[in-house]
Amino acid sequence: NAGVTQTPKFQVLKTGQSMTLQCAQDMNHEYMSWYRQDPGMGLRLIHYSVGAGITDQGEVPNGYNVSRSTTEDFPLRLLSAAPSQTSVYFCASSYHGSSPLHFGNGTRLTVT
Amino acid sequence: DAKTTQPPSMDCAEGRAANLPCNHSTISGNEYVYWYRQIHSQGPQYIIHGLKNNETNEMASLIITEDRKSSTLILPHATLRDTAVYYCIVRVAVGSNFGNEKLTFGTGTRLTIIP
Repeated sequence: NAGVTQTPKFQVLKTGQSMTLQCAQDMNHEYMSWYRQDPGMGLRLIHYSVGAGITDQGEVPNGYNVSRSTTEDFPLRLLSAAPSQTSVYFCASSYHGSSPLHFGNGTRLTVT
Repeated sequence: DAKTTQPPSMDCAEGRAANLPCNHSTISGNEYVYWYRQIHSQGPQYIIHGLKNNETNEMASLIITEDRKSSTLILPHATLRDTAVYYCIVRVAVGSNFGNEKLTFGTGTRLTIIP
């Protein structure tokens, strides 16, 4: 199993550009989520999904959209990037509640 | 969701046991305690979890107080590679398979192992 795969690893955007951060898992996990991590801070939940077709907002959802059309994929969309979205983004997945989260290696995004 | 409180930083001598505390005073009966760690800028790594009994695996031990309001992660023989940020979170499971999955992490404890 590849686990949780995030692409790209690094990305630089200009303010106002859009992009999609990709997250895929091959473990048939129902639960997937996106976090952002800013320097010196912990992980903050952006959006999560408990199964295909179901998504919900986390702590900091503004400026981000998600969809879950398949069990394997959970892309995170930035419709109009802002410098405040400069961060490291982590995707995570797990089986049903009360199972350990598996994290990807992160996408480092810089918005200028 | 219950909130957790951890000290911002701790030091431990190499080869000694590292004991990392976590307070979760508002934890509910169906909430598990999970520990993760993050080395450098890598994705967090699962360590251990428990509900009410003490747990041990190849990485660490988890001691949960009888009232479940606090817990301690123990790394029995700390090495330099254990230097990381350690996160304690609680996760609830209600219903058939899905629970309240709004999993929030605090800022964790930065553990430094000193040679």
